[in-house]
Amino acid sequence: ETGVTQSPTHLIKTRGQQVTLRCSSQSGHNTVSWYQQALGQGPQFIFQYYREEENGRGNFPPRFSGLQFPNYSSELNVNALELDDSALYLCASSLGRPRAETQYFGPGTRLLVL
Amino acid sequence: SQKIEQNSEALNIQEGKTATLTCNYTNYSPAYLQWYRQDPGRGPVFLLLIRENEKEKRKERLKVTFDTTLKQSLFHITASQPADSATYLCAPGGDSSYKLIFGSGTRLLVRP
Repeated sequence: ETGVTQSPTHLIKTRGQQVTLRCSSQSGHNTVSWYQQALGQGPQFIFQYYREEENGRGNFPPRFSGLQFPNYSSELNVNALELDDSALYLCASSLGRPRAETQYFGPGTRLLVL
Repeated sequence: SQKIEQNSEALNIQEGKTATLTCNYTNYSPAYLQWYRQDPGRGPVFLLLIRENEKEKRKERLKVTFDTTLKQSLFHITASQPADSATYLCAPGGDSSYKLIFGSGTRLLVRP
């Protein structure tokens, strides 16, 4: 069984640029959630995808967008990067109806915006 | 709004002692509560889930309690080891929501 993987592991961008982060969900999982974790804080929910459709969204602006593909892998896109977007971005996968029970996290992508 | 509070100060204990971490929540009626462990620079790892109709749950050296009247969960690690040093996150869930809402976590340091 393959766990959740994310790429890249680290990324440096400048303000105003765009970034795409990628996630492969755990084998058999059909739900992917994305979280942003600032230093010293808990993960904050960005959005969730279930069977290729957005299933809910946290308090993030529209410049945060995503996709889920037929193989259940997912992308997080962030446009017009701001300094405050610097954080660890976590992808988590789960199985079944998206009732937010146990989620399995990837190692994260560390994004630094200069 | 929903609020989850965990001790922001690190918990520093001697190896072999029991560590007790607290999670309090307000404006929330979760059907269950989860605890995750997070090591620096890594993603959270699921430890335990306790449902609202369960008072206590155990897994090896871990024990979780869930008091829906006090709106509180306690997480215990008995016979703690230096390898238990990490940040522990609580995440109530299941109130018709599809997302996990995490506390800010409590850092545990176990001294040899």
